[in-house]
Amino acid sequence: DIQVTQSPSYLSTSIGDRITISCRASENIDTYLNWYQQKPGKAPKLLIDSASSLQSGVPSRFSGGGSGTDFTLTITSLQPEDFATYYCQQSYRFPPTFGQGTKLEIE
Amino acid sequence: EVQLVESGGGLVQPGGSLRLSCAASGFDFIYRWMYWVRQAPGKGLVWVSRVDSAAVTTNYEDSVKGRFTISRDNRRNAVYLQMNGLRAEDTAVYYCVSLYSSSRSQYFQHWGQGTLVTVSS
Repeated sequence: DIQVTQSPSYLSTSIGDRITISCRASENIDTYLNWYQQKPGKAPKLLIDSASSLQSGVPSRFSGGGSGTDFTLTITSLQPEDFATYYCQQSYRFPPTFGQGTKLEIE
Repeated sequence: EVQLVESGGGLVQPGGSLRLSCAASGFDFIYRWMYWVRQAPGKGLVWVSRVDSAAVTTNYEDSVKGRFTISRDNRRNAVYLQMNGLRAEDTAVYYCVSLYSSSRSQYFQHWGQGTLVTVSS
């Protein structure tokens, strides 16, 4: 299975900050990398597919980048509703695998 | 409006059985691969099982092989997960998820609200 490693696991940050979450795949996955946001007690929600394609309705302060093995999710000017856990997921090869998650906490 | 509504979770003793159901509406269910993805308390997301659009191909994560069975009924727009021989480590929220797939992208597009399965004596 392709391993997907996210960092950091936790990020203590403030409203208005710019943050970047990293995701590294254990082998080349082209741009088959997706990002999800999960709030407590809720199902994950797709934010970005194919490394950089923003889903309809997702604010433009979210952006994704990368290809091959290294990817990033960037949120500019954090808003209160952005404090959640974020997961990356590779879809290059079955089975799909997720990163362990990055929890954004208010500093 | 897209909806995936899971049901059937609950408290069960080790070795027991449960059948999860997922009712789908508002999207092209009959053309989609459908997955069950679970999340143990405080942990991350793990795929459990999948079924193709025609219910011909099924796959299982190693830890549930031989114990879980996925199925679907395209006339009812529903997918099921029969879980037998439940273990404490199967305790999790189980999500029903639809897969979007094209030549250049593949992602989990629609998620149900989840149903909690607790295995405990």
